[in-house]
Amino acid sequence: EPEVTQTPSHQVTQMGQEVILRCVPISNHLYFYWYRQILGQKVEFLVSFYNNEISEKSEIFDDQFSVERPDGSNFTLKIRSTKLEDSAMYFCASSLAGTAYEQYFGPGTRLTVT
Amino acid sequence: SQQGEEDPQALSIQEGENATMNCSYKTSINNLQWYRQNSGRGLVHLILIRSNEREKHSGRLRVTLDTSKKSSSLLITASRAADTASYFCAPDLNTDKLIFGTGTRLQVFP
Repeated sequence: EPEVTQTPSHQVTQMGQEVILRCVPISNHLYFYWYRQILGQKVEFLVSFYNNEISEKSEIFDDQFSVERPDGSNFTLKIRSTKLEDSAMYFCASSLAGTAYEQYFGPGTRLTVT
Repeated sequence: SQQGEEDPQALSIQEGENATMNCSYKTSINNLQWYRQNSGRGLVHLILIRSNEREKHSGRLRVTLDTSKKSSSLLITASRAADTASYFCAPDLNTDKLIFGTGTRLQVFP
């Protein structure tokens, strides 16, 4: 069964450094998402991406964040200058056609900012 | 609030018993989805019920939707220890995102 994959599984970085989290969505899906979950808290929506542009973003997704689909398979989340409060699990998801269909989530990347 | 609110917050049962979780939401929806999350892992889609459906089954899962009461329920029959997880509902509000609440933490004891 096709699945969403994410790399790395765990990333440790120092405050102020840039990180890039990578995702490979399911191949025929058209909508891509990033969510995050701070330890012990809710899963929070960050951004949705369709047709090579952001379709919606949350208040969390400020200028420090960016997303890109650099080729036909990868979907990346970049945090330009990490802060301690960016420490969280970051989940990528993809969907065939938006929220009318189920979203398939990856296993997540645990980001630790020290 | 755009999210669904799950109830109860926590539920403990014995293996073989049924587990029922409820979800309430505040506005009109296109569909409502249920997801499961094992501790610290990604969410797994369980079932999607559309606004014109009243009930849907998938294996041991039964979901109901009452759009007049803006509520949904998820029933897991003959629960197993492996069903231990957090369960979330996500109403689709015709936006490009899913909003998750705090979920119901289900503990199934062997």
